[in-house]
Amino acid sequence: GDSVTQMEGPVTLSEEACLTINCTYTATGYPSLFWYVQYPGEGLQLLLKATKADDKGSNKGFEATYRKETTSFHLEKGSVQVSDSAVYFCALTGNFGNEKLTFGTGTRLTIIP
Amino acid sequence: NAGVTQTPKFRVLKTGQSMTLLCAQDMNHEYMYWYRQDPGMGLRLIHYSVGEGTTAKGEVPDGYNVSRLKKQNFLLGLESAAPSQTSVYFCASSPRGAGVNNEQFFGPGTRLTVL
Repeated sequence: GDSVTQMEGPVTLSEEACLTINCTYTATGYPSLFWYVQYPGEGLQLLLKATKADDKGSNKGFEATYRKETTSFHLEKGSVQVSDSAVYFCALTGNFGNEKLTFGTGTRLTIIP
Repeated sequence: NAGVTQTPKFRVLKTGQSMTLLCAQDMNHEYMYWYRQDPGMGLRLIHYSVGEGTTAKGEVPDGYNVSRLKKQNFLLGLESAAPSQTSVYFCASSPRGAGVNNEQFFGPGTRLTVL
């Protein structure tokens, strides 16, 4: 079945550091890929998405590129802020009428001033 | 527009007790979902619904029941709570299935502890 593997956390960075959170997937067909973010005490929010190979999703300074050849969708940001502290989830949904999202285990990110 | 709301926010149960979690959405979405979030395991789908009057099993349905009598509401029931059901429960909705361009909108969560 479909699965998503994320880099283990927690990740702690200083403000203005570069961020990469790795995500790889296993899926049949041509999945759509997502990054969701969960701020402390809140539900998940969609951060960005990509729906086909070589697409780049971007939002709030974060980017991720759909790489079919390496089955990856790594999340990157050039300069993180304290307000980026959250848990980040990589997810996918298959095509062919699949109604469900498959999530990775989440990566907790803490940014220190 | 409140989005997705969940009731209650916190609950403590004793083993064997029953309870119902309520999810409501005001976005006229067809699809609704119940997930549980456990440390190190991400979110796992319990049950979902593709429209009023329909329900379907997700990845971890055992010990839970659901109902979708009204389009805007999706209820999750625990008939006889067990400590293994201690978790944070999230409800979500989407206009159609989780395919292309169909973002899921999440509620704030319910933290349940079973003693």
